[in-house]
Amino acid sequence: AQSVTQPDIHITVSEGASLELRCNYSYGATPYLFWYVQSPGQGLQLLLKYFSGDTLVQGIKGFEAEFKRSQSSFNLRKPSVHWSDAAEYFCAVGLYNNNDMRFGAGTRLTVKP
Amino acid sequence: DTAVSQTPKYLVTQMGNDKSIKCEQNLGHDTMYWYKQDSKKFLKIMFSYNNKELIINETVPNRFSPKSPDKAHLNLHINSLELGDSAVYFCASRRGQGNQPQHFGDGTRLSIL
Repeated sequence: AQSVTQPDIHITVSEGASLELRCNYSYGATPYLFWYVQSPGQGLQLLLKYFSGDTLVQGIKGFEAEFKRSQSSFNLRKPSVHWSDAAEYFCAVGLYNNNDMRFGAGTRLTVKP
Repeated sequence: DTAVSQTPKYLVTQMGNDKSIKCEQNLGHDTMYWYKQDSKKFLKIMFSYNNKELIINETVPNRFSPKSPDKAHLNLHINSLELGDSAVYFCASRRGQGNQPQHFGDGTRLSIL
């Protein structure tokens, strides 16, 4: 069965610093990969997605993610973090011809002034 | 123009009661989901309906019963509420499968006294 691992439960970065959130997946075929953000008291909002093609995908709010098949990873990056980026971030995997979607445990991002 | 709307946003009730949460989506999607998010932010899929047909039914107590009167609605009824049912419940929808992202409601925070 497919699974998603986010190794970091909590990350703290200073405002203006760069950010990388890690995500590893386990699945036999190439999955469809997503990153979502959840602000306090809100639902999940899609940041970006990867299906095929260019392995570096751009998303909203200045985020990007890179798919690395050899490492089974789909890490999320942002060059300069803003205080409003403080939130919970979820990596998710979907499968072709399948209604299921599995989420990682989430990484909580704290931004220091 | 809320895409996925859940009601109520907050639900406070006593153990043993029966309650329902409603979900409606106006995106024309054919698949809808219920997730439970615990206090550690872990997101667990509970049910999924595709065109009113139940397609995912995870290990969930049978006190939880989803009902989909039409493609745009997926309600969740919970009987004999227990303390452990306290969580945030999210409804989501998506078009098609695999490579399509899910769209989430803002959640219903259920608190059992």
